Amino acid sequence: AIQLTQSPSSLSASMGDRVTISCRASQAFSNDLAWYQQKPGQPPKLLIYDDSSLVSGVPSRFSGSGSGTDFTLTISSLQPEDVATYYCQQSKNYPYSFGQGTKLEIK
Amino acid sequence: EVQLVQSGPEVKKPGESLKISCKGSGYSFSNYWIGWVRQMPGKGLEWMGIIYPADSNAKYSPSFQGQVTMSVDKSMSTAYLQWSRVKASDTAMYYCARNPTGAFDVWGRGTMVTVSS
Repeated sequence: AIQLTQSPSSLSASMGDRVTISCRASQAFSNDLAWYQQKPGQPPKLLIYDDSSLVSGVPSRFSGSGSGTDFTLTISSLQPEDVATYYCQQSKNYPYSFGQGTKLEIK
Repeated sequence: EVQLVQSGPEVKKPGESLKISCKGSGYSFSNYWIGWVRQMPGKGLEWMGIIYPADSNAKYSPSFQGQVTMSVDKSMSTAYLQWSRVKASDTAMYYCARNPTGAFDVWGRGTMVTVSS
């Protein structure tokens, strides 16, 4: 099974900062990674699919990159509404799997 | 509008059976995989499995194989997740989500399951 390890586990940044979250996979793949945002009390929301494709309606400050075993979610300019926990998920092999999450807070 | 509407919260005693539901609308239910995701209190997301409504082909995570059963009723556009005997460790929020290409693009609001004696 493919294991996904996110770093950092938590992150505090200032408004307007550029934020990057890493997702490292135990096996290489491409076009099979998604990123989700989950706010307290809400279901997760798909932000990025196929490594780097932005879901319609998601602000353009969010972007995804990477391939092989290393993937990154970038928020170009942090906004207050971006406070949430972020998860990566692979769909290369069954069982699909999620990273453990990265909790993002505002300083 | 594409929607997944999940059944309401459940409170069960250990050893009881349980079946929760997820009703799809606004799209061709049979033609999209439906997945289930567990989130224990204060914890992360766990991929439980997915099922294809057209033929009930199901893929389970080894962590949940034998512990739960996924099923569908195409005529009702509804997916189900069931337990024969729940345990306290099954206490969690359970989400269903549509899975067209690997990523979950539409999510239900979740069903909170509490198991306590």
